[in-house]
Amino acid sequence: DADVTQTPRNRITKTGKRIMLECSQTKGHDRMYWYRQDPGLGLRLIYYSFDVKDINKGEISDGYSVSRQAQAKFSLSLESAIPNQTALYFCATSDGTGNYGYTFGSGTRLTVV
Amino acid sequence: GEDVEQSLFLSVREGDSSVINCTYTDSSSTYLYWYKQEPGAGLQLLTYIFSNMDMKQDQRLTVLLNKKDKHLSLRIADTQTGDSAIYFCAESMSGTALIFGKGTTLSVSS
Repeated sequence: DADVTQTPRNRITKTGKRIMLECSQTKGHDRMYWYRQDPGLGLRLIYYSFDVKDINKGEISDGYSVSRQAQAKFSLSLESAIPNQTALYFCATSDGTGNYGYTFGSGTRLTVV
Repeated sequence: GEDVEQSLFLSVREGDSSVINCTYTDSSSTYLYWYKQEPGAGLQLLTYIFSNMDMKQDQRLTVLLNKKDKHLSLRIADTQTGDSAIYFCAESMSGTALIFGKGTTLSVSS
């Protein structure tokens, strides 16, 4: 099994719909992150969580919300999807020491039509 | 604000060396990273360097860090077609999360 699992892998949804992207990790790390990747823009931080009771906004949190259900689970929601939220979304986890960087999931490709 | 800058494209011939450059902004960054993303895949950690180091070598990869100029480079020796990918530079921001550059697309021709 992958260290970081994201579901779904691909999703097409309509404008205005609510959608949840899920992430789970088996690394046993406290820290988890959601990033968004757009062509030519690199990865931008949406939200991050350093433990179950800690949630922090990133650079581009507007239009998104998150829930840290457990140490291993961190979900990202789009309350009312819009077309410019079409992107590749990555979840990641880290141990906070910096020694090993972040471990990323395979990504969720979301298309809002 | 914080920003990590990279050139967007690099094209090399197979067997040549590739050098990808990056500038970062936070002088307190403890670690600096290089990630690789192959087409349709997630991000894979290639290598990283601790801020008190000037250089790190790992097989075909050499990372150089110039803290004074806040400049980081990744050299890939004997570049192969399998090295074609997007390479991201990232800095660890104190108390937050990794900040990534926009990525450099490396194209290797045979």
